[in-house]
Amino acid sequence: GAGVSQSPSNKVTEKGKDVELRCDPISGHTALYWYRQSLGQGLEFLIYFQGNSAPDKSGLPSDRFSAERTGGSVSTLTIQRTQQEDSAVYLCASSLGTSGYSGELFFGEGSRLTVL
Amino acid sequence: SQQGEEDPQALSIQEGENATMNCSYKTSINNLQWYRQNSGRGLVHLILIRSNEREKHSGRLRVTLDTSKKSSSLLITASRAADTASYFCATDKGGYQKVTFGTGTKLQVIP
Repeated sequence: GAGVSQSPSNKVTEKGKDVELRCDPISGHTALYWYRQSLGQGLEFLIYFQGNSAPDKSGLPSDRFSAERTGGSVSTLTIQRTQQEDSAVYLCASSLGTSGYSGELFFGEGSRLTVL
Repeated sequence: SQQGEEDPQALSIQEGENATMNCSYKTSINNLQWYRQNSGRGLVHLILIRSNEREKHSGRLRVTLDTSKKSSSLLITASRAADTASYFCATDKGGYQKVTFGTGTKLQVIP
């Protein structure tokens, strides 16, 4: 499909385990975002990739969280030693990132993480 | 951290009525966008307004922006049950800086 694809859609893990969440952005989109949304809450910014620039990691809540974007396309968000408070929906979005601003973001359906 | 704050947090109206949601933000912006979210999953873009614009329309949507008050409003006219969703404002400062979202307004339209 032509949209943003995220996997897995649901992940249940035990406290202390590592998890990887994947995002396939829309082809040609230079900007990629990760957000976290706890139940009934707003979107918490995590990390932002724009082209070949150094990512904006200012939203990562702890050093247990990391993300990479390979070849300017697919991105993986890794959470090490998961805690119960990491339970949330993790949303990925991409945009063209042209004209000097991010413009319209296209979102995936999210990965729901439950840490037991 | 969240740049924007929407109010009200929740709004319940009858079908056919207008719904107004407000967004206030803290620092100067380049663009402000409104998004809609159904069922806590992916968000869908509704409309973008630039800092040098004061009002914009798209179908039943009307967005205003007051940069002196650092606030925006989203008006949905002649609401429908299908408009039931959460609505978020999002801002950026231009220059390829990140987009941050507000806290959202949960709208319920009663048939």
